[in-house]
Amino acid sequence: QSVMTQPPSASGTPGQRVTISCSGDISNIGSKYVDWYQQLPGTAPKVLIYRNSQRPSGVPDRFSGSKSGASASLAISGLRSEDEAVYFCAVWDDNLTALFGGGTKLTVL
Amino acid sequence: QVQLQESGPGLVKPSETLSLTCTISGASIGNYYWSWIRQPPGKGLEWIGYIFYLGTTNYNPSLTSRVTISVDTSKNEFSLKLNSVTAADTAIYYCAALGFRDLHFEEWGQGTLVTVSS
Repeated sequence: QSVMTQPPSASGTPGQRVTISCSGDISNIGSKYVDWYQQLPGTAPKVLIYRNSQRPSGVPDRFSGSKSGASASLAISGLRSEDEAVYFCAVWDDNLTALFGGGTKLTVL
Repeated sequence: QVQLQESGPGLVKPSETLSLTCTISGASIGNYYWSWIRQPPGKGLEWIGYIFYLGTTNYNPSLTSRVTISVDTSKNEFSLKLNSVTAADTAIYYCAALGFRDLHFEEWGQGTLVTVSS
């Protein structure tokens, strides 16, 4: 069971803006950087956001990350069919152990 | 561009040792921490551990008693050994490159499915 909670599913229609949440507590999300990974069907995860809100080169600016207190959010604007994937949040705890959220399956209707 | 490729047996018997290797190309082995992550079919991600090219390791506390990660700089590869496996260790195993500065998994291998079954 993950120490960070994500909704198991989310959905939206093309062009819509959707947000995916990741909730923890002060010892993980509250005091650490949050990363987000996208896992397209049948593929390995890929980093989408690191250090709460930074995008690696090549990631469209439709994807954005934010953090407030012990919660983090991933927002996807201008939703496209190719965004249908599972999204994971991740942090490193004080023992340098990587912790992943349970994942949110995003469906584009 | 870093490229990673996992290799090893796809089937391991219960109580035996799972052994995988990750071959690195397109990057110097000293430029990253090298990590293993696994994903049971249809489930979430679990970090296993990482190694630095000098041999320093860090393991997930839940697996530390059964895990060894090693590195072979001459072959530009690193390896995972997980002993006393059970069906619960059935998963897709990914190797990944972990950046020093920002500590995120910058590149991933394609993953390899390991099934534990007699």
